[in-house]
Amino acid sequence: DAGVIQSPRHEVTEMGQEVTLRCKPISGHNSLFWYRQTMMRGLELLIYFNNNVPIDDSGMPEDRFSAKMPNASFSTLKIQPSEPRDSAVYFCASSSGTREETQYFGPGTRLLVL
Amino acid sequence: QKEVEQNSGPLSVPEGAIASLNCTYSDRGSQSFFWYRQYSGKSPELIMSIYSNGDKEDGRFTAQLNKASQYVSLLIRDSQPSDSATYLCAVRDDKIIFGKGTRLHILP
Repeated sequence: DAGVIQSPRHEVTEMGQEVTLRCKPISGHNSLFWYRQTMMRGLELLIYFNNNVPIDDSGMPEDRFSAKMPNASFSTLKIQPSEPRDSAVYFCASSSGTREETQYFGPGTRLLVL
Repeated sequence: QKEVEQNSGPLSVPEGAIASLNCTYSDRGSQSFFWYRQYSGKSPELIMSIYSNGDKEDGRFTAQLNKASQYVSLLIRDSQPSDSATYLCAVRDDKIIFGKGTRLHILP
């Protein structure tokens, strides 16, 4: 299996621009998670989907952030407009949704907003 | 607010010794507990999960859970330089919450 795939791996953009991060979960996994990691705040859960339905988006920092999962093999996290404080590593993870809840993380997208 | 606390470190341990990593959590309803390892510049990977009080061993790793004390720990025996990484404790009730991690440095 290819594991969780994220793109792009690196993104540098200017403040005010729209940023779209993409994720392909492991085939057969029915739960998908978006995280943000910074030195100050650690690893924070932004939103998670179960069977393509958003279950908990309480971690989404503000209305500038939105996430979609149009099908079982694809999800996007969009930031519009982006701000310098959004600079972080964004991870996507997927799991089979069992009790073990083993989450498999993608390689992450390193976002720098200038 | 539910919290997961870890000492940020760095924790320096001589090669071959036992490394002990600790984590406390605030939510008594938590049911599942995980230890993830994250190498610098890489993504977290699961190394241990534990669900009931007591010890769970997997190779050189032992996870210990004490729900009454709201405490979970990870022991690494015969520490190797390749164990140098940040170790993230994660706790799940209705959703998973990660601690900020402990940086472990194994001294050759």
